[in-house]
Amino acid sequence: LAKTTQPISMDSYEGQEVNITCSHNNIATNDYITWYQQFPSQGPRFIIQGYKTKVTNEVASLFIPADRKSSTLSLPRVSLSDTAVYYCLVGGPRLMNRDDKIIFGKGTRLHILP
Amino acid sequence: NAGVMQNPRHLVRRRGQEARLRCSPMKGHSHVYWYRQLPEEGLKFMVYLQKENIIDESGMPKERFSAEFPKEGPSILRIQQVVRGDSAAYFCASSPKTALSYEQYFGPGTRLTVT
Repeated sequence: LAKTTQPISMDSYEGQEVNITCSHNNIATNDYITWYQQFPSQGPRFIIQGYKTKVTNEVASLFIPADRKSSTLSLPRVSLSDTAVYYCLVGGPRLMNRDDKIIFGKGTRLHILP
Repeated sequence: NAGVMQNPRHLVRRRGQEARLRCSPMKGHSHVYWYRQLPEEGLKFMVYLQKENIIDESGMPKERFSAEFPKEGPSILRIQQVVRGDSAAYFCASSPKTALSYEQYFGPGTRLTVT
């Protein structure tokens, strides 16, 4: 299971673009990269998932370089309501009964300032 | 289209009592996952279930904890003889995919307090 490393915390200001990078040096060939957002006292919310290059949806963009050993979640023009913890996970569809586990680390605490 | 439902949202139990946490997955989802989260910590995987089948319970404590996902009705996480250390937020997630999926949809959680 690929281990991920991401900054513990980040601060930014309203209206700025925020980029959170996640390192996953031992990502496997069939692993996907998935990002979640969690607000206090709520369950995590799926944001975006990608395999390579760039993925964009209405919430964020995900940039994945060719070697796939890292990825960057990009949040355009953040607002105060984007203050949350952001988790990077690496893995993918597995056969049943395999010994893989879904691991959420401590994530990145993003604090948006006015 | 309702999301993942969990109840109760808050549960208070005295030491030694039983706690039952319920989770109804999103419509059309047949895979359920349970997680536990302590304050200021990440989520810890506990168990992965399909209807009538436990796929992976490697994250479950060996004693006092059990989970089921019957053919009809919600998934249940059961904690017997609760202790103070069981106080945490318990989240349920569901997915539509046919194998362990990282695209999961989470419920609002049940906050268990053991007094």
